[in-house]
Amino acid sequence: DTGVSQDPRHKITKRGQNVTFRCDPISEHNRLYWYRQTLGQGPEFLTYFQNEAQLEKSRLLSDRFSAERPKGSFSTLEIQRTEQGDSAMYLCASSSDPGRRGNTEAFFGQGTRLTVV
Amino acid sequence: QKEVEQDPGPLSVPEGAIVSLNCTYSNSAFQYFMWYRQYSRKGPELLMYTYSSGNKEDGRFTAQVDKSSKYISLFIRDSQPSDSATYLCAMKAGANNLFFGTGTRLTVIP
Repeated sequence: DTGVSQDPRHKITKRGQNVTFRCDPISEHNRLYWYRQTLGQGPEFLTYFQNEAQLEKSRLLSDRFSAERPKGSFSTLEIQRTEQGDSAMYLCASSSDPGRRGNTEAFFGQGTRLTVV
Repeated sequence: QKEVEQDPGPLSVPEGAIVSLNCTYSNSAFQYFMWYRQYSRKGPELLMYTYSSGNKEDGRFTAQVDKSSKYISLFIRDSQPSDSATYLCAMKAGANNLFFGTGTRLTVIP
C-alpha cells in the first residue's frame, strides 16, 4: 500500500496520560499535514511540515500538543496530559511540493481515532 | 461566522437521482476548491479538484465554482447506493492548509 499510513488506528487512554501517533506519508511527498476531526464536523488544520521544518501551527495546537518530523519522512503527534476534549479523529495528509502550479492535492490517511476516558 | 459553510443534511435520495451538494465561503482569497468523500470511520478521499471559477466533470461527478458568489457545488448524476457517504467541501488560498465545511451526509436508497 503506497498511501498515507497512520498508526494506531484506534487509541483509548485515560485522562492525564500521554499519547503518540505516527504518520507515514506517501514516499515522494515532502509536505505533511495534521488535522483533527470531531464527530459531525469537518477536519480542522493543526500543523504542517515541509520536509523536517514545521512551518505553520494552528491556534488549536495548544502547548500540550507537539509534532515532529525529524528526518523529513514520518511524523509523530504527541498529546500530553490528555483531556476528554481531545477525543477526536486525528488525520494526517501529505502532498508534493506545489512548485509553479501553486497547488497539489493532499491525500489523507485513515486517521487515528482517540478516545479519552 | 465560519469561513466555509455547508449544510450538514442528512440528505436521502432514491437510486438514480441527481444529487446537488453546496458550500458557501467568505474568504475571497480562496482559489483552490476540492470535494472529498468520507466513508464512516475512514479518512477523506479526494473526489474533485478545481482551480478558480468554472466547471469540471469526471464521470458522474461535476464540480462548479462561482467565485463571484462565493459558492461551489458538486453534482452527482445517476446516484448509486455506493455513493452513500459524507461529502466534504474544502478550499484554500495558496499551497498550505485546507479549510473544510462540516460535511453533508448522503444516503442513496436502493
